[in-house]
Formats: sequence, C-alpha cells, structure tokens
Amino acid sequence: DARVTQTPRDKVTEMGQEVTMRCQPILGHNTVFWYRQTMMQGLELLAYFRNRAPLDDSGMPKDRFSAEMPDATLATLKIQPSEPRDSAVYFCASGKSGTDTQYFGPGTRLTVL
Amino acid sequence: RKEVEQDPGPFNVPEGATVAFNCTYSNSASQSFFWYRQDCRKEPKLLMSVYSSGNEDGRFTAQLNRASQYISLLIRDSKLSDSATYLCVVNMKRAAGNKLTFGGGTRVLVKP
Repeated sequence: DARVTQTPRDKVTEMGQEVTMRCQPILGHNTVFWYRQTMMQGLELLAYFRNRAPLDDSGMPKDRFSAEMPDATLATLKIQPSEPRDSAVYFCASGKSGTDTQYFGPGTRLTVL
Repeated sequence: RKEVEQDPGPFNVPEGATVAFNCTYSNSASQSFFWYRQDCRKEPKLLMSVYSSGNEDGRFTAQLNRASQYISLLIRDSKLSDSATYLCVVNMKRAAGNKLTFGGGTRVLVKP
C-alpha cells in the first residue's frame, strides 16, 4: 500500500532555529503539494510542484520559507529563521497531473517555542 | 469571505441517525468538488468525489448545486466510526495547475 512519508513526525524547536521537513511522494506521482494546517486558518496551500518544478508558491511567506525538490523522491520545506507563529501541522501530498486526487502524508507537527 | 465555507459544528448525531451538512463556495469557475475526511491528529483522506448528478457510496451521498454554489454530504445509518471532521474541497483549474481549496471542516460526533 503506497503512502506518502514525512519526516520528522514531530519537531520542537526554539525561535530562530532552522527547520527542515522532508517528504517522499508516492512512487510514480509527479505532483507534490505542501500544506499548513492550524486551528485558526485550516488547511492552506503553501507550495505546489509538478515534475519537480515549482508552479505555485504564492501561499508561502517568501522571507523565511523555501521549498525544493532535489529529486523526484524527495521534497523539502525549510523555515529559517523559525517563529512561534509557524507552529502548525505541515502536510505533504502527492498526486498525478491530470487527476485531482491528492494523497496526504501523516504530517509534521511543528512547535516553535 | 472565504472561498470555501463550512459550518464547523460539531454535529452531535445519535448512532443510526442521518446527518447532512453543506458547504458553500464563492468561485463559480470551480470545476470539481470533493469530500475529504480527517480523523483527529491524522491526515486528510479522500472520502468521495462529488458529481453534478449526485452520487452515492454506501451510506454516503454527495450532491452538487452549481446554481446556488453549494455541495452537501449526507450520512445515513451513522456509525461511531463516522466521527471525524469532513472537509469540503473545491478544485479550480488554472494555468499554473489545479488548486484544491479546503474548507475549514465540519466536525461530526456520533454517539451511542
């Protein structure tokens, strides 16, 4: 049963530290999405890749967030420097272009103190 | 106004009862619609797509009303395991690629 994997599952860090979250999409999927979920804002799209190219990162704070896909099996989301307001669950999802279905990973629960 | 709006609930439902709730969307260019289910501290999972003619999947029925820009989900014969947050999702096709916009979710609690 193919699944999206994310690491770490939980991360507690102090304000100002760099945070890197990793995602392995389902093999054969060529679209990757990063979402952030908070109680107040719900699920928000941060970035979207197709065939490893960034198509949309308009939802991402540019000054401190960056998203990359070094290869087809790895997507990363970095926050530098982190702030308490970044505390949230970050989900990665993957899919195939031409289809609407997205498969979510288990998420990274980030707490910035 | 949010692009996709849902009643946050919770809807407290006796086991075996029927529950229904709606979701409204603001962009008439929206092209496809879905319901996702999210259990507490878990990831969202696709429950069902919503087709213009309405569709059923077991005890779940989804409807789309394009004129009034809302979709609905009905759960019959509720089970305890149906307790979850149900996320309404709207897809808009854009030049930059499809974008799924999620509602805030409707929480359903099924009680014995």
